Amino acid sequence: DQQVKQNSPSLSVQEGRISILNCDYTNSMFDYFLWYKKYPAEGPTFLISISSIKDKNEDGRFTVFLNKSAKHLSLHIVPSQPGDSAVYFCAAKGLNYGGSQGNLIFGKGTKLSVKP
Amino acid sequence: KAGVTQTPRYLIKTRGQQVTLSCSPISGHRSVSWYQQTPGQGLQFLFEYFSETQRNKGNFPGRFSGRQFSNSRSEMNVSTLELGDSALYLCASSPGLTVDIQYFGAGTRLSVL
Repeated sequence: DQQVKQNSPSLSVQEGRISILNCDYTNSMFDYFLWYKKYPAEGPTFLISISSIKDKNEDGRFTVFLNKSAKHLSLHIVPSQPGDSAVYFCAAKGLNYGGSQGNLIFGKGTKLSVKP
Repeated sequence: KAGVTQTPRYLIKTRGQQVTLSCSPISGHRSVSWYQQTPGQGLQFLFEYFSETQRNKGNFPGRFSGRQFSNSRSEMNVSTLELGDSALYLCASSPGLTVDIQYFGAGTRLSVL
């Protein structure tokens, strides 16, 4: 049973336009969400996070939106650049889920291709 | 500050063998988590160690085990390898606080023949 879902395996966007990556979750115990970016042959790199007490967090070109009632979050990249081409993973964490700290539950990723 | 280091980067083993993977966390980080990444399943949590104690465990068989040393370095071991164990194994470290970001190594690519 997948608790974090990224329903789009791939996304193609033109350079300069907005990229929107979506993520849905099912467990209402999740209260901290992260986005990671992964290039081939490298480990995932942390991008941005959001706590459930917020509905938006912004860091430069990256903004994450959280809709708790819909159990949905999205990552917006504006403007998109060719160097953003990578696989993006959404991850969720609960303070008391699965142990004292709680492990990360990952979606299966969305491959973003930004075309020049 | 050096990042998370995983060794070796690549491994080829045959069915039935066992394997040990190593992870050196970022200096000062006390929590080390291990994940398995496969094309079909994405990243799946194996276990987490904090101060030499396993603090959290995912849904993997007992063939998968790990440990953490006093310097926070961690090893994971897979015994009696199966073809389905072929995957990228990722290690992540964090300071170990209640809510913090995990930083990943480049992974060890294990191929079981």
